[in-house]
Amino acid sequence: RKEVEQDPGPFNVPEGATVAFNCTYSNSASQSFFWYRQDCRKEPKLLMSVYSSGNEDGRFTAQLNRASQYISLLIRDSKLSDSATYLCVVKGSSNTGKLIFGQGTTLQVKP
Amino acid sequence: GAGVSQSPSNKVTEKGKDVELRCDPISGHTALYWYRQSLGQGLEFLIYFQGNSAPDKSGLPSDRFSAERTGGSVSTLTIQRTQQEDSAVYLCAKEGQHEQFFGPGTRLTVL
Repeated sequence: RKEVEQDPGPFNVPEGATVAFNCTYSNSASQSFFWYRQDCRKEPKLLMSVYSSGNEDGRFTAQLNRASQYISLLIRDSKLSDSATYLCVVKGSSNTGKLIFGQGTTLQVKP
Repeated sequence: GAGVSQSPSNKVTEKGKDVELRCDPISGHTALYWYRQSLGQGLEFLIYFQGNSAPDKSGLPSDRFSAERTGGSVSTLTIQRTQQEDSAVYLCAKEGQHEQFFGPGTRLTVL
């Protein structure tokens, strides 16, 4: 079983739709949680950090449920430019800071 | 990407040859990471540097893989006797205050 699991999709949605991605992680000692975005043939870039209290950045809302070891990302009012792969990322319990990545969920927003 | 340079951007080699991949975090950061992204796979951690030492090499897939870092800056990942399964994008990242910043990667193809 992978340490971070995501539905790879693809999710095909029309512009303006609301879409939600989910992710589960297996190591209950994990410390930090993130969503990264990766465009085709580009490097991953941080989209947002994820906190138990939930955090919102414009159209994006991230949520962490430590009890269920579950992370979510909600995108409202999807834009064509949101088309990308969204990576669920966990910083492990070791003190090395290495990141553990999910396989990624592909989103395609269509006109 | 974000102050991390990698070279070459693309490398095609024949099975059995050795290759060297270079990462320059430019502004110089204490913590530096190497990851690998194979086709259709998530990013996998390879090795972590703190200064010039590598306290976590747990992700290196075999003894054909090695890495070094000099002057607390530039790092080189060496793959000896390359195999076709080594084909992947090799990404280097530096630790920022709240995230890791990735370089553009080296796309390695082993024929």
